[in-house]
Amino acid sequence: AQSVTQLDSQVPVFEEAPVELRCNYSSSVSVYLFWYVQYPNQGLQLLLKYLSGSTLVKGINGFEAEFNKSQTSFHLRKPSVHISDTAEYFCAVSVVGAAGNKLTFGGGTRVLVKP
Amino acid sequence: EAQVTQNPRYLITVTGKKLTVTCSQNMNHEYMSWYRQDPGLGLRQIYYSMNVEVTDKGDVPEGYKVSRKEKRNFPLILESPSPNQTSLYFCASSPGGTGNTEAFFGQGTRLTVV
Repeated sequence: AQSVTQLDSQVPVFEEAPVELRCNYSSSVSVYLFWYVQYPNQGLQLLLKYLSGSTLVKGINGFEAEFNKSQTSFHLRKPSVHISDTAEYFCAVSVVGAAGNKLTFGGGTRVLVKP
Repeated sequence: EAQVTQNPRYLITVTGKKLTVTCSQNMNHEYMSWYRQDPGLGLRQIYYSMNVEVTDKGDVPEGYKVSRKEKRNFPLILESPSPNQTSLYFCASSPGGTGNTEAFFGQGTRLTVV
């Protein structure tokens, strides 16, 4: 079975400051890694994903994440946040080669961007 | 516009009164699933469907039923809701594949069972 741990449940940050959201996973098989964002009263949308290749992945809205296999981590970063980045962020994994697209999610990190 | 549509968005019901939450997607996706979101637990999969007439349990299936009679629709049925099913529910769809495709989510249904 897979598990995902997001180390911070809430992250307050000032506008234009950098932010890092931490994600660690556990799996006995290879996984794909995802970050999804949930804006208030909306569904989730994909920020970025790591499938293979370069360990630094760039996504939408200036976000990027780095896959570290030895530390089983997939931390999300943004160098300068905006008020509009206030949202909840979810790290998720799916099993490589498994039929379908089951996602195992972490508990989420709420980011509150302050002016 | 490509989308997953859930209805209703908000629902308050009483214990034991059967309800159905509808989900429809217009992207011709094979894979559909239902998740529930609870604070601190993230999203957990309830049921999924690989294609028409093919459904299976996810991680938290107790108290729920689903059906997939048409490719676009995947309703979630609570035959006898209980207060512990109070939660935020999301339907998601994605192309078949092997775990490497993007999931598209509906806007959510906030269910309260009193």
